[in-house]
Amino acid sequence: EVQLVESGGGLVQPGGSLRLTCAASGFTVSSSYMSWVRQAPGKGLEWVSVIYSSGSTYYADSVKGRFTISRDNSKNTLYLQMNSLRADDAAVYYCARDRPPLRDWGQGTLVTVSS
Amino acid sequence: DIVMTQTPLSLSVTPGQPASISCKSSQSLLHSDGKTYLYWYLQKPGQSPQLLIYEVSSRFSGVPDRFSGSGSGTDFTLEISRVEAEDVGVYYCMQSLHLPRTFGQGTKVEIK
Repeated sequence: EVQLVESGGGLVQPGGSLRLTCAASGFTVSSSYMSWVRQAPGKGLEWVSVIYSSGSTYYADSVKGRFTISRDNSKNTLYLQMNSLRADDAAVYYCARDRPPLRDWGQGTLVTVSS
Repeated sequence: DIVMTQTPLSLSVTPGQPASISCKSSQSLLHSDGKTYLYWYLQKPGQSPQLLIYEVSSRFSGVPDRFSGSGSGTDFTLEISRVEAEDVGVYYCMQSLHLPRTFGQGTKVEIK
């Protein structure tokens, strides 16, 4: 059974950093396309980033240069390093497996950005 | 970026009646490989989104056959043949032809 479990969310001050973790089971992260999608409170879905099985990474313009997606193959885990956080980064962050796109989702982790 | 526009933004449906949601993209989602990269998701209250339909009309594993997708180019439709209480939530279309992937605004479906 495929499982995706996010963690690492919390309260951070503007300008601060957080690293989100997505622990996967039931499939191999390194062989998959993996994405992060976020949802601000009461708002719709926004795609954030993807890492392909090749290791290529892509980002939404809103996070480019501030967020970094990566994976640890030995831990079968996906990460999202978030730096220079802003108020408009506050959201529930979901990791998701592709093929087809966003076929499996985690439960999400909440990031709050406030002083 | 490709803009996805859904209509209506909300829908109130009597159980057992059909429902239809439209999604229009700002450019064709047809790839040179012949596939059209349009997807539908449902986010039930308090839950993570779930994939319903991929590549316009293919139902994902476990999705009831009352859900169907159609369309081509820039115009797409999700139809529910007979709405059930468990179908409430927000429906999103999404394109993955080009990065960034973009979602429609969402259509909230309620039961009358």
